[in-house]
Amino acid sequence: GAGVSQSPSNKVTEKGKDVELRCDPISGHTALYWYRQRLGQGLEFLIYFQGNSAPDKSGLPSDRFSAERTGESVSTLTIQRTQQEDSAVYLCASSLYATSGRGYHLSGETQYFGPGTRLLVL
Amino acid sequence: AQKITQTQPGMFVQEKEAVTLDCTYDTSDPSYGLFWYKQPSSGEMIFLIYQGSYDQQNATEGRYSLNFQKARKSANLVISASQLGDSAMYFCAMRGSDSSYKLIFGSGTRLLVRP
Repeated sequence: GAGVSQSPSNKVTEKGKDVELRCDPISGHTALYWYRQRLGQGLEFLIYFQGNSAPDKSGLPSDRFSAERTGESVSTLTIQRTQQEDSAVYLCASSLYATSGRGYHLSGETQYFGPGTRLLVL
Repeated sequence: AQKITQTQPGMFVQEKEAVTLDCTYDTSDPSYGLFWYKQPSSGEMIFLIYQGSYDQQNATEGRYSLNFQKARKSANLVISASQLGDSAMYFCAMRGSDSSYKLIFGSGTRLLVRP
């Protein structure tokens, strides 16, 4: 089946403008994650959705960042009043489910990533 | 706090040889999952292999195997019979604790396969 898709693949914007990034998870995956990867670095967690609710927003770097998910499917990450330090690749991932954390770990929690959106703020 | 450490920023391997990429982790959670991802120059993150903390056997997926040493808190990735297409960044990651399901990533190892 189709993997995780993201759009746009590249986005160049001017400082102070708002941007919207979109993620289409794998069909049937209930959990969805957003990460940020700055140049030459590992991935930083931003936010996690279980269904349409976001129980963990701990990684959002400021109140300029927000995300929503509708229909237990598509998610959008919005960055308002973009700053140059927001330049990065924004990666979305989905997993079949997320476990409670206790007991046996099943491979269904494996996160599958989209190709990312490369954001450049001038 | 949970942490993933990858101490090899870059590695070379000759084509057709095996290579081991190191990963150590730190967690107080008795139940956790460990993952390896490959990131080619194109940027996508490709899932390679998964190891659950309660799994008795080391995970294997084709040419990839995970050398899981729980007591040492290490989860090294072994790639057998390296191919030129294996040249990429490799990230070790750990599933978060109960309160969060995020993946915690290491800083990555850049692998270059020489012909």
